[in-house]
Amino acid sequence: DVVMIQSPLSLPVTLGQPASISCRSSQSLVYSDGNTYLNWFQQRPGQSPRRLIYKVSNRDSGVPDRFSGSGSGTDFTLKISRVEAEDVGVYYCMQGTQLPFTFGPGTKVDIK
Amino acid sequence: EVQLVESGGNSVQPGGSLRLSCAASGLIFSSYSINWVRQTPGRGLEWVSFISTGSTIIHYADSVRGRFTISRDDAKNSVFLRMNSLRDDDTAVYFCICGTYAAAFEYWGQGALVTVSS
Repeated sequence: DVVMIQSPLSLPVTLGQPASISCRSSQSLVYSDGNTYLNWFQQRPGQSPRRLIYKVSNRDSGVPDRFSGSGSGTDFTLKISRVEAEDVGVYYCMQGTQLPFTFGPGTKVDIK
Repeated sequence: EVQLVESGGNSVQPGGSLRLSCAASGLIFSSYSINWVRQTPGRGLEWVSFISTGSTIIHYADSVRGRFTISRDDAKNSVFLRMNSLRDDDTAVYFCICGTYAAAFEYWGQGALVTVSS
């Protein structure tokens, strides 16, 4: 199975400041069709996960442009340019390149 | 607006069975692949099963293969997860997720709680 590692696991941030979450996979996530199936999800307290980013860097409709995804191969990053109060929650990366699909352990973002 | 509503979650004894349902609206259901994912505080998010459009491709996690069965009824805009021989470690919140391709995971339901305990 592809193991997904996230760091940090806890990220206290100051409102208005940037935040960055790293996600590394144990194998390359480049699929045979040339796509890299790496998603990012946000789970706010008491809610279901919500997809923010798909295929590494494509932002979902309605997702603020302060969220961005980047990376390639085995190393990926989710960045929040200026953290707002509504960004509090747990963020997960997920690989969809190889079955079984696997998730990272999550990074808990809260406000200092 | 896309909505996915799971139902069928309940408390059951080890060895028992449950059938989860997920009803979709606001999308052309037959055009979407479906995944089931479960979540526990200890194990986080764990992929459980996948069914393609037309039910032509089905996959299961090793932990549930032979015990769980996924199916869909496009006429009813619904997907099902039949869970047999339930074990304590199947206790989780189960989410159904729709996507335009297998790994899309675009739309999530609110989750259904399954508790397996004697």
